[in-house]
Amino acid sequence: QSALTQPASVSGSPGQSITISCTGTSSDVGGYNYVSWYQQHPGKAPKLMIYEVSNRPSGVPDRFSGSKSGNTASLTISGLQAEDEADYYCSSYTSSSTLVVFGGGTKLTVL
Amino acid sequence: QVQLQESGPGLVKPSQTLSLTCTVSGGSISSGGYYWSWIRQHPGKGLEWIGYIYYSGSTYYNPSLKSRVTISVDTSKNQFSLKLSSVTAADTAVYYCARGAGTVDYWGQGTLVTVSS
Repeated sequence: QSALTQPASVSGSPGQSITISCTGTSSDVGGYNYVSWYQQHPGKAPKLMIYEVSNRPSGVPDRFSGSKSGNTASLTISGLQAEDEADYYCSSYTSSSTLVVFGGGTKLTVL
Repeated sequence: QVQLQESGPGLVKPSQTLSLTCTVSGGSISSGGYYWSWIRQHPGKGLEWIGYIYYSGSTYYNPSLKSRVTISVDTSKNQFSLKLSSVTAADTAVYYCARGAGTVDYWGQGTLVTVSS
């Protein structure tokens, strides 16, 4: 069981917007502004899409945005495109001895 | 552009030690400022952070693996390494080396390590 809770799957049609949630506790998501989001295509390494809750690395389209409210972080993808179909993982620092925790991942299907 | 490349055996026997090396190019480990991590992904499952090392040699390990994990660094070769002892089938996974801990901005391509006799 992962420390952070994500929905197993979400789906949307091209052009639509979707939001993936990542729920933790006050010891991780709620306690730090160090939430990251990663995109992983099958057979590939994860790719950083959002860091420190809402910052986009260079090269990541502005269709991807991140936010946080309390113990839940969210990744929103607007203007869905076929190439967005992938698994998405959140992570956070945690005050527990584990230091870094990941969500279980969300499979995004573009219909 | 920083690049990371894992290397090591793809098959390890139960009870033996898994050893992997990560070679970093396009950036120097010894320049500081970054943690260098190992992360694994069991087949069809999510990500699990194993631990990190700083260029100075300071380390931090996931408590669930701490008794079996050693991460070391060789700044002269711009490499860092993972050793996981007493492996079982449950250690079969894709192992990634990466730059960063809370925020991982560069990842290796990953290497599948299978534990089997």
